Amino acid sequence: ETGVTQSPTHLIKTRGQQVTLRCSSQSGHNTVSWYQQALGQGPQFIFQYYREEENGRGNFPPRFSGLQFPNYSSELNVNALELDDSALYLCASTPELAGGYYEQYFGPGTRLTVT
Amino acid sequence: AQSVAQPEDQVNVAEGNPLTVKCTYSVSGNPYLFWYVQYPNRGLQFLLKYITGDNLVKGSYGFEAEFNKSQTSFHLKKPSALVSDSALYFCAVSGLNTGFQKLVFGTGTRLLVSP
Repeated sequence: ETGVTQSPTHLIKTRGQQVTLRCSSQSGHNTVSWYQQALGQGPQFIFQYYREEENGRGNFPPRFSGLQFPNYSSELNVNALELDDSALYLCASTPELAGGYYEQYFGPGTRLTVT
Repeated sequence: AQSVAQPEDQVNVAEGNPLTVKCTYSVSGNPYLFWYVQYPNRGLQFLLKYITGDNLVKGSYGFEAEFNKSQTSFHLKKPSALVSDSALYFCAVSGLNTGFQKLVFGTGTRLLVSP
């Protein structure tokens, strides 16, 4: 177990709706990243938060947004859902930002289905 | 841009035999390389990483990986496979060139260990 939890486990939404996914990082981990894993693919980086501010983003549109809170929890919000947003969403935390050499600790993921 | 290639979609091996899962990378600067494993309906679990130093890295569950700079490879190995090793394996590269840390994953290799 990594100590990273995510909720809900599964979610079904309709195209055009909005969704919020939640993550609880390990205590003391100041950095949280979110990834999208489509079926049969490797995870794709969405964005990263460090000390409650977004400090990096991948090739995802602005309708993907996030928040990080002081209690090591975070959210991923997706507006105007599209069918292609159907995927497993993973959050991952690390103790600090330094160097890029820390392994990231992943949660079990939230499976989002958009119909 | 950083990238990782996993040339094999699936690797089949008999229990007790050695296994190799291949990974090649492309990155400017020093590579930080990782292997993760994903079991069905689970998040990614960290196996091992190469940051610097010895080219042979030992990790969890008896896995090891060999870093080869001239061939830009980071193959995952295990001397004796177990049926329980059957899972999806991802190679990833990380860097902090742009001020944030993200993992760039390969497409994954499914390992199937037969009894």
